Amino acid sequence: AQSVTQLDSQVPVFEEAPVELRCNYSSSVSVYLFWYVQYPNQGLQLLLKYLSGSTLVKGINGFEAEFNKSQTSFHLRKPSVHISDTAEYFCAVRLDRGSTLGRLYFGRGTQLTVWP
Amino acid sequence: NAGVMQNPRHLVRRRGQEARLRCSPMKGHSHVYWYRQLPEEGLKFMVYLQKENIIDESGMPKERFSAEFPKEGPSILRIQQVVRGDSAAYFCASSPMGQQSYNEQFFGPGTRLTVL
Repeated sequence: AQSVTQLDSQVPVFEEAPVELRCNYSSSVSVYLFWYVQYPNQGLQLLLKYLSGSTLVKGINGFEAEFNKSQTSFHLRKPSVHISDTAEYFCAVRLDRGSTLGRLYFGRGTQLTVWP
Repeated sequence: NAGVMQNPRHLVRRRGQEARLRCSPMKGHSHVYWYRQLPEEGLKFMVYLQKENIIDESGMPKERFSAEFPKEGPSILRIQQVVRGDSAAYFCASSPMGQQSYNEQFFGPGTRLTVL
């Protein structure tokens, strides 16, 4: 069975500090990986995705993530956060084969709070 | 190009009533996905539809829930005889080609259902 684990439910940081949001997954087949951001009372917006190729992926708003196949991880990083980055962040995977091709499997989310 | 539209944004129902949630995908998108977000949890897949076809409904509760995506008009998620446990945010996403691995799913703003 597929699962996505976000190890931290809440991450508080000060403005301009670096941040890492952790994501691990388990799957019996290859996956594609995504990070989404959700601002209060809004839908999800794609930050970045890994499909193939370079394991370091750059996304919007200065975020990047690195796919580590041996550790089955896809951690999200930003070198210097802003107050406007305060939001819920979701890691998700999609299988590359099988009857559930269409669906995304989500982690429970990490609430990032940036303090001035 | 308008994004994914969902209405209503907020819906209040009493126990036993019916809830109808509508989703209009992005222009040119023919695949629709419904997800449910319970409080303090990530998004859970419910159903994946193409025009006039249900592709994967393995995430739908067996009773009271149904979904359709007719040839014309929006996709509808219908919940009959709602109970308090149905209170959640329901998100719709769309993509242009559901089976292609590089697809991004574009999310709507969600409908927040409250059952009194």
